[in-house]
Amino acid sequence: AQSVTQLDSHVSVSEGTPVLLRCNYSSSYSPSLFWYVQHPNKGLQLLLKYTSAATLVKGINGFEAEFKKSETSFHLTKPSAHMSDAAEYFCVAPSVRGSQGNLIFGKGTKLSVKP
Amino acid sequence: DGGITQSPKYLFRKEGQNVTLSCEQNLNHDAMYWYRQDPGQGLRLIYYSQIVNDFQKGDIAEGYSVSREKKESFPLTVTSAQKNPTAFYLCASRPGQGFTGELFFGEGSRLTVL
Repeated sequence: AQSVTQLDSHVSVSEGTPVLLRCNYSSSYSPSLFWYVQHPNKGLQLLLKYTSAATLVKGINGFEAEFKKSETSFHLTKPSAHMSDAAEYFCVAPSVRGSQGNLIFGKGTKLSVKP
Repeated sequence: DGGITQSPKYLFRKEGQNVTLSCEQNLNHDAMYWYRQDPGQGLRLIYYSQIVNDFQKGDIAEGYSVSREKKESFPLTVTSAQKNPTAFYLCASRPGQGFTGELFFGEGSRLTVL
């Protein structure tokens, strides 16, 4: 069965330090993969997506993610955290169930940024 | 500006009442989705629709109903049969089928049962 696992439910960093949010997926094929961000009581916004064009993907707000097929990982990183990065982050992969192109969401990682 | 509009943003319901959450998009997207979000559980799919007058159950459809009479509209009704309806509900759309298209989300509707 397909799955998306976000390895940390909560990550806390200090402002100006690097951010690492981990995501592993299981799939029998090379998928598209997405990272979304959600601020409190808001909808989700796309940060970046991988579609096999390049393994290192750059997104908005200085975030990037690297697709590693051998490790089935798609970790999200940022060199220097900003207070405005505090939010919940979701790793997402497509589901091959049926023909609808549905998406499977990880359970989310809440990022806290300390001053 | 193109986007997805959900209303109301906050809604309170008494037990035993049906409520309808509105979702309208002007992105000309074919596919629309309803998700439920609970703390620590990520997003779970309630219903989705790939085309007008057609929709499919997602993982947690029990106690919910939808309609897709127009391309731009996909309302969700939370019925009295839904045992635990208090949650944050998100509507989304995407251009069509396929695995590479991103989802566009509305701002969400928070339903509280009193």
